[in-house]
Amino acid sequence: GAVVSQHPSWVICKSGTSVKIECRSLDFQATTMFWYRQFPKQSLMLMATSNEGSKATYEQGVEKDKFLINHASLTLSTLTVTSAHPEDSSFYICSAGGNTEAFFGQGTRLTVV
Amino acid sequence: AQSVTQLGSHVSVSEGALVLLRCNYSSSVPPYLFWYVQYPNQGLQLLLKYTTGATLVKGINGFEAEFKKSETSFHLTKPSAHMSDAAEYFCAVSGTGFQKLVFGTGTRLLVSP
Repeated sequence: GAVVSQHPSWVICKSGTSVKIECRSLDFQATTMFWYRQFPKQSLMLMATSNEGSKATYEQGVEKDKFLINHASLTLSTLTVTSAHPEDSSFYICSAGGNTEAFFGQGTRLTVV
Repeated sequence: AQSVTQLGSHVSVSEGALVLLRCNYSSSVPPYLFWYVQYPNQGLQLLLKYTTGATLVKGINGFEAEFKKSETSFHLTKPSAHMSDAAEYFCAVSGTGFQKLVFGTGTRLLVSP
């Protein structure tokens, strides 16, 4: 089946720095990708919808200036956590919808120290 | 709008016993329903999905689920639990096909020898 690759799988950064997470659809084109955030022992919460060639659509309560999303091509969406703080530590997962199911990346564990 | 309720944050079974994970949904349009499994620090793997047609859906690893419109339910079952089934299970609903999903809070399945 289709594969969505997410990189890095884990990252540790210092408070105040920015971190970029990549989400790639390896064998299909994705005009739309989704970014989710998962706190420990909690469910996935949709953060934003990434649209190729246009601005992302953010869910209520998600700071668009903090979580920058770029979808410059049909196979790549990036999420940049700007000026990261410890409360941004979380598991971030991207997905892309195919014709038969949504495919998820393997997730990125972000730890801000 | 869509929402999902998963009853029971934890379910414990013995190896070989029946697995039953409950999911109720709410949707203003005909829903697409999904069950995903997540192992620690990993992404989500699709177990099964309901779109249209047959209401009893069979998935991977011996799991199945039945869509009951009158009860707005989509419970996940497996006749005989294996130790390898221990994981977090998420029910999800979509009103827009395979794109944007709304997840339940998840149920952790514990399997004892």
